[in-house]
Amino acid sequence: KQEVTQIPAALSVPEGENLVLNCSFTDSAIYNLQWFRQDPGKGLTSLLLIQSSQREQTSGRLNASLDKSSGRSTLYIAASQPGDSATYLCAVFTGGGNKLTFGTGTQLKVEL
Amino acid sequence: DAGVIQSPRHEVTEMGQEVTLRCKPISGHDYLFWYRQTMMRGLELLIYFNNNVPIDDSGMPEDRFSAKMPNASFSTLKIQPSEPRDSAVYFCASSYRATEAFFGQGTRLTVV
Repeated sequence: KQEVTQIPAALSVPEGENLVLNCSFTDSAIYNLQWFRQDPGKGLTSLLLIQSSQREQTSGRLNASLDKSSGRSTLYIAASQPGDSATYLCAVFTGGGNKLTFGTGTQLKVEL
Repeated sequence: DAGVIQSPRHEVTEMGQEVTLRCKPISGHDYLFWYRQTMMRGLELLIYFNNNVPIDDSGMPEDRFSAKMPNASFSTLKIQPSEPRDSAVYFCASSYRATEAFFGQGTRLTVV
């Protein structure tokens, strides 16, 4: 059974800092890994998708990396802004039936 | 495309009543996922479909929960009878061949 864990559970940083969010998964037989953002009371917004054959993806100030062999992914946020405050979730499509399993999330607060 | 559409956005019902949540996936997507989100348990996968066929319903908590996908453009999640502990936000998501998943805005269910 695939288990996805995110560390830390919560993070508070001053504006302008670069930060790293971590995601680990137990079954390395994944197809893709996706990072999402969720604002309070809202749905999930897709940020980045990394296919299993890729090592990283970039979108603006966001960079996500994937190391399948170690079961890890990181989301790097450069020059953080208060508008980045949200919960960040990673999810993996696991082989076989393409089940989409979510991590526990990291709640980020960027302070002025 | 308008994205994944869920209805209703909010539902308040009395314990013991039947509740039906609806989802319209993105046209052309062949996977549909139902999730439940609570503060205590995070995002839980309830059931998912591939080409309208249920693949894994191991996350459905009890026989009170049932889901159907009569065609490629519509799915329902039904709770009968509802209980206060079913109160949560229910999300529907769709994807094409286990690539990027897109979420609806969710249905906030309150059972009193």
